[in-house]
Amino acid sequence: QVQLVQSGAEVKKPGASVKVSCKASGYTFTSYYMHWVRQAPGQGLEWMGIINPSGGSTSYAQKFQGRVTMTRDTSTSTVYMELSSLRSEDTAVYYCARVTIFRGMDVWGQGTTVTVSS
Amino acid sequence: DIVMTQTPLSSPVTLGQPASISCRSSQSLVHSDGNTYLSWLQQRPGQPPRLLIYKISNRFSGVPDRFSGSGAGTDFTLKISRVEAEDVGVYYCMQATQGFTFGPGTKVDIK
Repeated sequence: QVQLVQSGAEVKKPGASVKVSCKASGYTFTSYYMHWVRQAPGQGLEWMGIINPSGGSTSYAQKFQGRVTMTRDTSTSTVYMELSSLRSEDTAVYYCARVTIFRGMDVWGQGTTVTVSS
Repeated sequence: DIVMTQTPLSSPVTLGQPASISCRSSQSLVHSDGNTYLSWLQQRPGQPPRLLIYKISNRFSGVPDRFSGSGAGTDFTLKISRVEAEDVGVYYCMQATQGFTFGPGTKVDIK
Protein backbone atom coordinates (compact mmCIF):
# COMPACT_ATOMS: atom_id res chain seq x y z
CA GLN A 1 0.00 0.00 0.00
CA VAL A 2 1.00 3.60 -0.43
CA GLN A 3 2.88 4.87 2.58
CA LEU A 4 5.39 7.42 3.75
CA VAL A 5 7.67 6.42 6.60
CA GLN A 6 9.64 9.12 8.36
CA SER A 7 12.78 8.97 10.44
CA GLY A 8 12.74 8.97 14.21
CA ALA A 9 12.57 11.72 16.78
CA GLU A 10 15.45 14.14 17.15
CA VAL A 11 16.73 16.33 19.95
CA LYS A 12 18.97 19.19 18.90
CA LYS A 13 20.69 22.14 20.51
CA PRO A 14 20.00 25.70 19.38
CA GLY A 15 22.08 26.60 16.35
CA ALA A 16 22.35 23.01 15.14
CA SER A 17 20.78 21.48 12.04
CA VAL A 18 18.37 18.57 11.65
CA LYS A 19 17.72 16.36 8.66
CA VAL A 20 14.45 14.43 8.50
CA SER A 21 13.82 11.69 5.97
CA CYS A 22 10.62 10.44 4.38
CA LYS A 23 10.70 7.13 2.52
CA ALA A 24 7.95 6.49 0.01
CA SER A 25 6.65 3.10 -1.05
CA GLY A 26 3.72 1.63 -2.95
CA TYR A 27 3.72 4.11 -5.82
CA THR A 28 5.99 5.65 -8.45
CA PHE A 29 8.11 8.02 -6.39
CA THR A 30 8.87 10.46 -9.19
CA SER A 31 5.23 10.93 -10.17
CA TYR A 32 4.12 12.96 -7.14
CA TYR A 33 5.44 16.13 -5.58
CA MET A 34 6.03 16.09 -1.82
CA HIS A 35 5.22 18.75 0.76
CA TRP A 36 6.79 19.34 4.15
CA VAL A 37 4.47 20.67 6.83
CA ARG A 38 5.19 21.29 10.50
CA GLN A 39 3.08 21.60 13.62
CA ALA A 40 4.34 23.23 16.80
CA PRO A 41 2.97 21.85 20.09
CA GLY A 42 -0.74 22.70 20.39
CA GLN A 43 -0.64 24.75 17.20
CA GLY A 44 -1.91 24.48 13.64
CA LEU A 45 -0.32 23.29 10.43
CA GLU A 46 2.38 25.33 8.75
CA TRP A 47 3.50 24.76 5.17
CA MET A 48 7.27 24.73 4.75
CA GLY A 49 7.89 23.86 1.14
CA ILE A 50 7.55 21.40 -1.72
CA ILE A 51 9.89 19.27 -3.78
CA ASN A 52 9.50 17.60 -7.15
CA PRO A 53 11.10 14.18 -6.72
CA SER A 54 11.49 13.85 -10.47
CA GLY A 55 13.79 16.78 -11.17
CA GLY A 56 14.54 17.88 -7.62
CA SER A 57 13.15 21.40 -8.02
CA THR A 58 11.94 23.03 -4.84
CA SER A 59 9.83 25.91 -3.59
CA TYR A 60 10.08 27.11 -0.01
CA ALA A 61 7.85 29.24 2.17
CA GLN A 62 9.37 32.67 2.55
CA LYS A 63 9.61 32.19 6.30
CA PHE A 64 12.10 29.34 5.84
CA GLN A 65 14.08 30.65 2.89
CA GLY A 66 17.79 30.36 3.60
CA ARG A 67 17.29 27.87 6.45
CA VAL A 68 15.57 24.92 4.80
CA THR A 69 16.83 22.55 2.12
CA MET A 70 14.72 19.81 0.58
CA THR A 71 16.39 17.07 -1.42
CA ARG A 72 15.58 13.64 -2.74
CA ASP A 73 17.24 10.34 -3.53
CA THR A 74 15.44 8.55 -6.31
CA SER A 75 17.44 5.36 -5.76
CA THR A 76 15.82 4.92 -2.35
CA SER A 77 12.54 6.81 -2.98
CA THR A 78 13.35 9.12 -0.11
CA VAL A 79 12.93 12.85 0.35
CA TYR A 80 14.80 14.84 2.96
CA MET A 81 14.16 18.10 4.77
CA GLU A 82 17.09 19.80 6.47
CA LEU A 83 16.51 22.80 8.72
CA SER A 84 19.50 24.76 9.96
CA SER A 85 20.17 27.36 12.65
CA LEU A 86 17.60 25.73 14.87
CA ARG A 87 15.93 27.70 17.62
CA SER A 88 13.44 26.73 20.30
CA GLU A 89 10.55 27.88 18.10
CA ASP A 90 11.43 25.10 15.64
CA THR A 91 10.31 22.50 18.17
CA ALA A 92 7.51 20.77 16.28
CA VAL A 93 6.29 17.66 14.56
CA TYR A 94 7.44 17.63 10.95
CA TYR A 95 5.36 15.83 8.34
CA CYS A 96 5.91 14.91 4.74
CA ALA A 97 2.77 14.68 2.60
CA ARG A 98 2.25 13.58 -0.99
CA VAL A 99 0.61 15.96 -3.46
CA THR A 100 -2.00 14.79 -5.93
CA ILE A 101 -2.87 16.29 -9.30
CA PHE A 102 -5.78 18.06 -7.63
CA ARG A 103 -3.29 19.57 -5.17
CA GLY A 104 -4.61 17.73 -2.17
CA MET A 105 -2.31 16.15 0.41
CA ASP A 106 -3.57 12.59 0.17
CA VAL A 107 -0.90 10.58 1.99
CA TRP A 108 0.96 11.70 5.10
CA GLY A 109 3.96 10.40 6.96
CA GLN A 110 3.59 9.55 10.63
CA GLY A 111 5.46 12.69 11.66
CA THR A 112 8.88 13.28 13.18
CA THR A 113 9.21 15.14 16.46
CA VAL A 114 12.09 17.58 16.55
CA THR A 115 12.89 19.12 19.91
CA VAL A 116 15.27 22.05 20.14
CA SER A 117 16.57 22.56 23.63
CA SER A 118 19.79 23.58 25.30
CA ASP B 1 0.07 35.86 0.40
CA ILE B 2 -3.40 34.38 0.75
CA VAL B 3 -4.66 34.33 4.32
CA MET B 4 -7.20 31.72 5.40
CA THR B 5 -9.62 32.23 8.27
CA GLN B 6 -12.01 29.76 9.85
CA THR B 7 -15.08 30.14 12.03
CA PRO B 8 -15.76 29.00 14.60
CA LEU B 9 -12.41 28.07 16.09
CA SER B 10 -14.14 25.72 18.48
CA SER B 11 -17.36 23.81 17.96
CA PRO B 12 -18.90 21.65 20.70
CA VAL B 13 -21.52 19.45 19.07
CA THR B 14 -24.06 16.88 20.16
CA LEU B 15 -23.69 13.38 18.79
CA GLY B 16 -26.02 12.85 15.86
CA GLN B 17 -26.42 16.57 15.25
CA PRO B 18 -24.98 18.50 12.29
CA ALA B 19 -21.88 20.65 12.38
CA SER B 20 -20.68 23.33 10.02
CA ILE B 21 -17.32 25.05 9.61
CA SER B 22 -16.72 28.15 7.54
CA CYS B 23 -13.49 28.98 5.75
CA ARG B 24 -12.74 32.28 4.06
CA SER B 25 -9.77 33.29 1.92
CA SER B 26 -8.34 36.79 1.58
CA GLN B 27 -8.62 36.54 -2.20
CA SER B 28 -10.37 34.38 -4.77
CA LEU B 29 -9.15 30.80 -4.94
CA VAL B 30 -10.16 30.35 -8.57
CA HIS B 31 -7.01 29.32 -10.41
CA SER B 32 -6.24 30.44 -13.96
CA ASP B 33 -6.92 26.84 -15.03
CA GLY B 34 -10.51 27.18 -13.83
CA ASN B 35 -10.12 24.96 -10.78
CA THR B 36 -10.51 26.05 -7.17
CA TYR B 37 -7.90 24.31 -5.05
CA LEU B 38 -9.57 24.34 -1.66
CA SER B 39 -9.36 21.22 0.45
CA TRP B 40 -10.38 20.14 3.94
CA LEU B 41 -8.34 17.97 6.28
CA GLN B 42 -9.19 16.29 9.56
CA GLN B 43 -6.68 15.72 12.32
CA ARG B 44 -7.71 13.37 15.07
CA PRO B 45 -5.86 13.64 18.38
CA GLY B 46 -2.35 12.25 18.13
CA GLN B 47 -2.59 11.49 14.43
CA PRO B 48 -1.34 13.05 11.18
CA PRO B 49 -3.89 15.01 9.17
CA ARG B 50 -6.14 13.16 6.76
CA LEU B 51 -7.58 14.46 3.50
CA LEU B 52 -11.37 14.69 3.52
CA ILE B 53 -12.38 16.97 0.65
CA TYR B 54 -10.52 18.34 -2.37
CA LYS B 55 -11.42 21.00 -4.92
CA ILE B 56 -14.20 22.37 -2.71
CA SER B 57 -16.63 19.47 -2.77
CA ASN B 58 -14.99 16.20 -3.82
CA ARG B 59 -14.87 13.58 -1.09
CA PHE B 60 -11.59 11.71 -0.96
CA SER B 61 -11.54 7.92 -1.12
CA GLY B 62 -12.96 6.29 1.98
CA VAL B 63 -14.45 9.46 3.45
CA PRO B 64 -17.98 8.94 4.79
CA ASP B 65 -20.75 10.70 2.91
CA ARG B 66 -21.80 12.58 6.04
CA PHE B 67 -18.95 14.96 5.14
CA SER B 68 -19.66 17.49 2.40
CA GLY B 69 -17.99 20.61 1.10
CA SER B 70 -19.39 23.61 -0.72
CA GLY B 71 -18.61 27.17 -1.65
CA ALA B 72 -16.98 29.27 -4.30
CA GLY B 73 -14.56 32.14 -4.75
CA THR B 74 -13.56 33.13 -1.22
CA ASP B 75 -16.18 31.43 0.95
CA PHE B 76 -16.30 27.74 1.70
CA THR B 77 -18.08 25.42 4.11
CA LEU B 78 -17.51 21.95 5.48
CA LYS B 79 -20.60 20.22 6.84
CA ILE B 80 -20.95 17.07 8.88
CA SER B 81 -24.53 15.90 8.57
CA ARG B 82 -24.59 13.85 11.79
CA VAL B 83 -21.56 14.02 14.05
CA GLU B 84 -20.16 10.74 15.30
CA ALA B 85 -17.68 10.21 18.12
CA GLU B 86 -14.88 9.46 15.64
CA ASP B 87 -15.29 12.94 14.12
CA VAL B 88 -13.70 14.60 17.14
CA GLY B 89 -10.58 16.48 16.10
CA VAL B 90 -9.35 19.60 14.38
CA TYR B 91 -10.45 20.50 10.89
CA TYR B 92 -8.32 22.60 8.57
CA CYS B 93 -9.09 24.20 5.26
CA MET B 94 -6.16 24.58 2.91
CA GLN B 95 -5.72 26.55 -0.29
CA ALA B 96 -3.35 25.43 -3.05
CA THR B 97 -4.28 27.96 -5.71
CA GLN B 98 -1.47 30.38 -4.99
CA GLY B 99 1.19 28.72 -2.90
CA PHE B 100 -0.14 26.71 0.00
CA THR B 101 -1.83 28.06 3.11
CA PHE B 102 -3.73 26.40 5.94
CA GLY B 103 -6.52 27.89 7.96
CA PRO B 104 -6.02 28.10 11.74
CA GLY B 105 -8.13 25.01 12.40
CA THR B 106 -11.50 24.38 14.04
CA LYS B 107 -11.66 22.08 17.03
CA VAL B 108 -14.73 19.83 17.03
CA ASP B 109 -15.58 18.05 20.24
CA ILE B 110 -18.61 16.48 21.84
CA LYS B 111 -20.81 18.42 24.26
